[in-house]
Amino acid sequence: GAVVSQHPSWVICKSGTSVKIECRSLDFQATTMFWYRQFPKQSLMLMATSNEGSKATYEQGVEKDKFLINHASLTLSTLTVTSAHPEDSSFYICSVETGTGGTDTQYFGPGTRLTVL
Amino acid sequence: GQQLNQSPQSMFIQEGEDVSMNCTSSSIFNTWLWYKQDPGEGPVLLIALYKAGELTSNGRLTAQFGITRKDSFLNISASIPSDVGIYFCAAFNFGNEKLTFGTGTRLTIIP
Repeated sequence: GAVVSQHPSWVICKSGTSVKIECRSLDFQATTMFWYRQFPKQSLMLMATSNEGSKATYEQGVEKDKFLINHASLTLSTLTVTSAHPEDSSFYICSVETGTGGTDTQYFGPGTRLTVL
Repeated sequence: GQQLNQSPQSMFIQEGEDVSMNCTSSSIFNTWLWYKQDPGEGPVLLIALYKAGELTSNGRLTAQFGITRKDSFLNISASIPSDVGIYFCAAFNFGNEKLTFGTGTRLTIIP
């Protein structure tokens, strides 16, 4: 399966600042990556689909101007939380889609814990 | 958004016991996945199922893709301490690879 890394693992920031989270596919060229958010004791919720070389597709209720996604290469997607507020504190996880039609799957990164003070 | 119905929500078992959990949907999916998530980590893929009726094993884990394509189950045999964690089912359809996740099953092993 694909090996996915995220940086940083943990970030604490002040309210109003912006935070960038990187997702890297280390051994697979990923046309499509996904960004999820997970609150404590809850399941993963899809935020957006990141497509290499084009604009991301956001899920309903996710503000695209607040959560900026850039997928500039086949191995890197970044999520920038702009003007972060305490309610943005969460566990952010990316995934890489692999496989060809019929055997697709997703491999997840280790996650980034964001705490906004 | 939509979530898959996963049960049980929590399980407390003794080491060595077998475990069974399942996932149901009101919609048909043509791919089912099972993941395990440890605290503070991302989900790790356990088993992927692509054909209705398919039964697939990965060591002590066995999962089946329901014949109706609306459900799946995961069995763990002879549980060990490292099986502790949260198990999620997930599903999607070809051409729309956005995963729909289950609500999770938290597995705890009682000493």
